[in-house]
Amino acid sequence: EVQLVESGGGLVQPGGSLRLSCAASGFMLSDHYMEWVRQAPGKGLEWVGRTRNKANSYTTEYAASVKGRFTISREESTNSLFLQMNSLKSEDTAVYHCVRGPRGEVVAGSAVYFFPMDVWGQGTTVTVCS
Amino acid sequence: DIQMTQSPSTLSASVGDRVTISCRASQSVSSWLAWYQQKPGKVPKLLIHKASSLHTGVPSRFSGSGSGTDFALTISSLQPDDFATYHCQQYIGYPLTFGGGTKVEIK
Repeated sequence: EVQLVESGGGLVQPGGSLRLSCAASGFMLSDHYMEWVRQAPGKGLEWVGRTRNKANSYTTEYAASVKGRFTISREESTNSLFLQMNSLKSEDTAVYHCVRGPRGEVVAGSAVYFFPMDVWGQGTTVTVCS
Repeated sequence: DIQMTQSPSTLSASVGDRVTISCRASQSVSSWLAWYQQKPGKVPKLLIHKASSLHTGVPSRFSGSGSGTDFALTISSLQPDDFATYHCQQYIGYPLTFGGGTKVEIK
């Protein structure tokens, strides 16, 4: 069974740091793009960032709201994903979900095919408050 | 950034009703649009991808349509298990963006 379990959330003061972890099971993390998506209390879903798979050199993309402050990384040996969050702000308060992304884009001739994220972890809560 | 706008934000309906939720993109996303269902206290579940392709195990009463900038999610006959919030998401351009969500409530 494919499963994602996040940990590391908590209460932190503005300007502080936190490192979230996501343990994956049931599939090889290295085969998939992986996403972080957050949901502030009573709000909609906000994509935080992505790390591509091993075949695409684990390159990353970030939302403008977190670029330069958040860093996504992986550890192959433990099949784990991480989100290092620095310079935290009150607006970063949210439940953070680790989400399995696609295996990548498929190029067929002149066409490129994209695929959605499909399996979500339960999330870990981050509260930024003085 | 591609802005995704869903309407309505809340929808009241009865069991057995046909329900349609709209999602509009600020620029074309071709067919690279997904729909997710989220029940209270639960994580989103993928319902539809590529605008109209049903994800594995999703009941056939759910259907998606549209391309370019205008999309719709239709539930042909609303069941008690379908009362939830529905999110659309485009996955062609960075940043990946979601609509604001549509809550389907019991009338």
